[in-house]
Amino acid sequence: TQLLEQSPQFLSIQEGENLTVYCNSSSVFSSLQWYRQEPGEGPVLLVTVVTGGEVKKLKRLTFQFGDARKDSSLHITAAQPGDTGLYLCAGPHGSGNTGKLIFGQGTTLQVKP
Amino acid sequence: KAGVTQTPRYLIKTRGQQVTLSCSPISGHRSVSWYQQTPGQGLQFLFEYFSETQRNKGNFPGRFSGRQFSNSRSEMNVSTLELGDSALYLCASSSGTGRETQYFGPGTRLLVL
Repeated sequence: TQLLEQSPQFLSIQEGENLTVYCNSSSVFSSLQWYRQEPGEGPVLLVTVVTGGEVKKLKRLTFQFGDARKDSSLHITAAQPGDTGLYLCAGPHGSGNTGKLIFGQGTTLQVKP
Repeated sequence: KAGVTQTPRYLIKTRGQQVTLSCSPISGHRSVSWYQQTPGQGLQFLFEYFSETQRNKGNFPGRFSGRQFSNSRSEMNVSTLELGDSALYLCASSSGTGRETQYFGPGTRLLVL
């Protein structure tokens, strides 16, 4: 069974601080995706990482895919209140050629001004 | 391009009733996946429809069913509602032809009393 474990589950920090969210599995994933979800809305895709060791940057957000494609991390530099939300990692089930995504439990981030 | 739309956005039902939720995918997308999101279980895959056929199914009881129409719009139905069915129901669409991105709708918030 493919599982994704995220840590931490909750994070409350001050504006300007840095943080890292982790997404780990004992299974290999063909790719991993990071979503951000705000209350009452659906998840919005931030990035997809495909190649082991890949690093992608989206403004102050840096995403990394582990060399073995079993883990990923999201690092936010100088967090802002607008970064507040639920961050989810997800990976395709099996070979990834169907519409079934496995999700981590999510990390709730609160950035206080 | 219009995004994924879901109707209704909010719904209140009582135990034993049934409910039908609707999802209109992004134009040109042929795959629609449904997910249930609860605070305790997170996002869990219900099923996926591609070209009017169920292509993948999660571990939910038979009370949960769905269908897809020729225009790719999809409906999911939950019969004999239970209190534990209270959740945010999300649908996501993709082209369905490979490991492409899934785009989520805003969800339908179902409350069962």
